This record gives sequence, structure tokens and C-alpha cells, in this order.
Amino acid sequence: NAGVTQTPKFRVLKTGQSMTLLCAQDMNHEYMYWYRQDPGMGLRLIHYSVGEGTTAKGEVPDGYNVSRLKKQNFLLGLESAAPSQTSVYFCASSYEDRSGQPQHFGDGTRLSIL
Amino acid sequence: AQKITQTQPGMFVQEKEAVTLDCTYDTSDPSYGLFWYKQPSSGEMIFLIYQGSYDQQNATEGRYSLNFQKARKSANLVISASQLGDSAMYFCAMREGLGTSYDKVIFGPGTSLSVIP
Repeated sequence: NAGVTQTPKFRVLKTGQSMTLLCAQDMNHEYMYWYRQDPGMGLRLIHYSVGEGTTAKGEVPDGYNVSRLKKQNFLLGLESAAPSQTSVYFCASSYEDRSGQPQHFGDGTRLSIL
Repeated sequence: AQKITQTQPGMFVQEKEAVTLDCTYDTSDPSYGLFWYKQPSSGEMIFLIYQGSYDQQNATEGRYSLNFQKARKSANLVISASQLGDSAMYFCAMREGLGTSYDKVIFGPGTSLSVIP
């Protein structure tokens, strides 16, 4: 039972390079989210998706793009990486229902931009 | 404007004592949900407890209880009989826009709890 899998787990980039973070879930969840975690700031929502083919901006979307072409995958792209994007990135997924089902989180991707 | 406020960046508690971690929130949605998560030093996010905005009773899960005061927009986490393993970051989170295109979960900045033997 894999749950939520993030790829890669670690990455070092140079300023200006691009990359894509992959999030895959095997629980048939409708909702998926990308967060970044920085010291003292908790988890901040970057983008989220309420279903296949839909995406929406969160609290800190600038510099990032996302795609949800398949229900089980949610991709986070950095077109031109900046040092301010050095962070730990978490993907999460959840059911659509309103009964208080919690989010399931991946293990995180530690990204450093030099 | 910050929607989730956790005013205690760091807290200390003696082992076996109870501790309350504060959380206040801001939303205009009538239907919303509140979560607490624990993040130990290993980094994983662990779900602790949930409170729905229409729930009549405060949520409880083992040693965790949620002191929900809807009019004050607060959802404080109470941990009873603290254990050394409770030392971690604790995050309050709110789900709003339930069932709409903007259904999302946002987090507060967190409180670091240290349990002293």
C-alpha cells in the first residue's frame, strides 16, 4: 500500500534550471495538493486540484505551475528555479466527501536552489 | 491576511502534565473543518483529530481533545498526560469551501512542543 509517493526525495538545482516534482497516489482520491514548508511558516498551499483536469492557485502560487492530467498524478513544475524556492515540498491527497477525512501526505521532497 | 493563527511558536510541558496548543481561524464559510496534525523530527505528517463546524460536541481521540469555541473561532488542541514522544511540531489546519471548486486545506505556522522528563 504505497499511499502518496513523491519523486524525487532530494534535488539540488542551479538558479534558472527547471524541474518537475511528481506526486502519485493510489487511493483514488479526488483532491490533491502541493505545499511548501519553510521554518517558522508552517505549510503553505501552492496549488491544489479538486479533480482530474482541474487546478487552482493556493496561497503562494507564483513561480510554480501544476498539471493534473491523470487522477492519480499531480505534477509541480518550476520553470526557472530561484533560491527563494529552496524548501521542503509536500504533496497530499484526500477524498472529496465532507466527513472530515484527513489528508494523506507524501514523505516530502527536499529541494535546494543554488 | 493569515487565516490560521497559532500564537505559540514554542511550548514546554512536563511529562504527564496536560498542555493546550492554541489555534484561531478566520473564514466566512458556514461549513468548514478543522484538523490538527503532528510532525515529529522525522518529518512525516500525522493526523490527530478533526472537528466539523456543525459538530455539536468537541472531538476527542484518545489523549487528544479539541476545545472548539465556534463564536470565538478557536480550536485549541488539548493533550492530556504528555509523553516524551509527544515532542514535535503541531499544526492546526482548516478546510473551507467544502464541495466547491475552491475546496482546500490551509495550515497555520505551527507550534513546537517539547516534553520535559
